[in-house]
Amino acid sequence: KQEVTQIPAALSVPEGENLVLNCSFTDSAIYNLQWFRQDPGKGLTSLLLIQSSQREQTSGRLNASLDKSSGRSTLYIAASQPGDSATYLCAVGPKLVFGKGTKLTVNP
Amino acid sequence: NAGVMQNPRHLVRRRGQEARLRCSPMKGHSHVYWYRQLPEEGLKFMVYLQKENIIDESGMPKERFSAEFPKEGPSILRIQQVVRGDSAAYFCASSPEHSGNTIYFGEGSWLTVV
Repeated sequence: KQEVTQIPAALSVPEGENLVLNCSFTDSAIYNLQWFRQDPGKGLTSLLLIQSSQREQTSGRLNASLDKSSGRSTLYIAASQPGDSATYLCAVGPKLVFGKGTKLTVNP
Repeated sequence: NAGVMQNPRHLVRRRGQEARLRCSPMKGHSHVYWYRQLPEEGLKFMVYLQKENIIDESGMPKERFSAEFPKEGPSILRIQQVVRGDSAAYFCASSPEHSGNTIYFGEGSWLTVV
């Protein structure tokens, strides 16, 4: 049974800092890994999708890496902004098993 | 191109009543997924449907819960005889095909059982 863990559960940083969110999964037989952002009381917004054959994906200030063999993914956020404050979720496909998320607060 | 549309956004039901949650996938998407997010918990997979077919319902509780995705109209998640433990956010998502593509989520339906 696939289990996904995200560390840390919460993170508070000053504006402008670079940061890394971690995601680990127990079964390396995945189709893909997806990072989402969830704002309070809202749905999920897809940030990056990494196929199982890929090692990383980039979008703007975000970079996600995937190491299937070790069961890990990281989401790197450069030059963080207060608008980045949200809960970040990773999920492994195909059925999308989710971690509990990392709640990020970026302080002005 | 409208996103995944869920309604109602908020629903209050008394114990024992029925709750019906609707989901219209994005245009051109034939795959629908339902997830449940309990307070302080992560999202849990419930069911995966294609038009007129349930593909995977391994996350659905055995009783009181059912889902459908008819040929015409939205996908429906139905909860009969609701209990307080059913209070949660229910998210629908859609994709154009399974496994390889980005999945798009709706804004969720928040069910409160009183």
